[in-house]
Amino acid sequence: DQQVKQNSPSLSVQEGRISILNCDYTNSMFDYFLWYKKYPAEGPTFLISISSIKDKNEDGRFTVFLNKSAKHLSLHIVPSQPGDSAVYFCAASSITGTASKLTFGTGTRLQVTL
Amino acid sequence: DAMVIQNPRYQVTQFGKPVTLSCSQTLNHNVMYWYQQKSSQAPKLLFHYYDKDFNNEADTPDNFQSRRPNTSFCFLDIRSPGLGDAAMYLCATSSSGTSNQPQHFGDGTRLSIL
Repeated sequence: DQQVKQNSPSLSVQEGRISILNCDYTNSMFDYFLWYKKYPAEGPTFLISISSIKDKNEDGRFTVFLNKSAKHLSLHIVPSQPGDSAVYFCAASSITGTASKLTFGTGTRLQVTL
Repeated sequence: DAMVIQNPRYQVTQFGKPVTLSCSQTLNHNVMYWYQQKSSQAPKLLFHYYDKDFNNEADTPDNFQSRRPNTSFCFLDIRSPGLGDAAMYLCATSSSGTSNQPQHFGDGTRLSIL
């Protein structure tokens, strides 16, 4: 049972345009949502997060929006740059045992074209 | 630079032959995690340590064990690897167990089973 879903395996966007990556979740107990970026042959790198009590968080070109009623979040990248080409993972955090646990989506491969 | 280092990057073992994967960190973080990621799937948490306290996920196979001899090092032991254990194994750390602290990942070890 996949609790975090990224339904678009891939996305292609022109340089300078907006990239919108989507993520849906099913578990209401998630308290934080995070986006990670992954280049080939490297581990995931933290990008931006949002608390479940907020609906928007912005960091430079990256903005994450959370719609709790729809159990949906999205990552907006404006303007998109070729260096943004990577796999983006949505992750949701909950407490398990003594620490937080991340439940990941399967990722969306973003290709930013010239 | 403070970081999470996984060794080796690529590991090949024979069916049924025990194998150990290594993770070290210079971040001095309390929590260390091990994830398994199979091709085109989401990373899946196997277990984590909060300091010396070990927390196993309910669906982690008994074949998988872990050791944390000190703050800096954590090992993943696979006692009798099967073909289904071929995957990327990711180590991550976080400063505390709270959800607002992002996890920092190593570059992973890709395990192949012959």
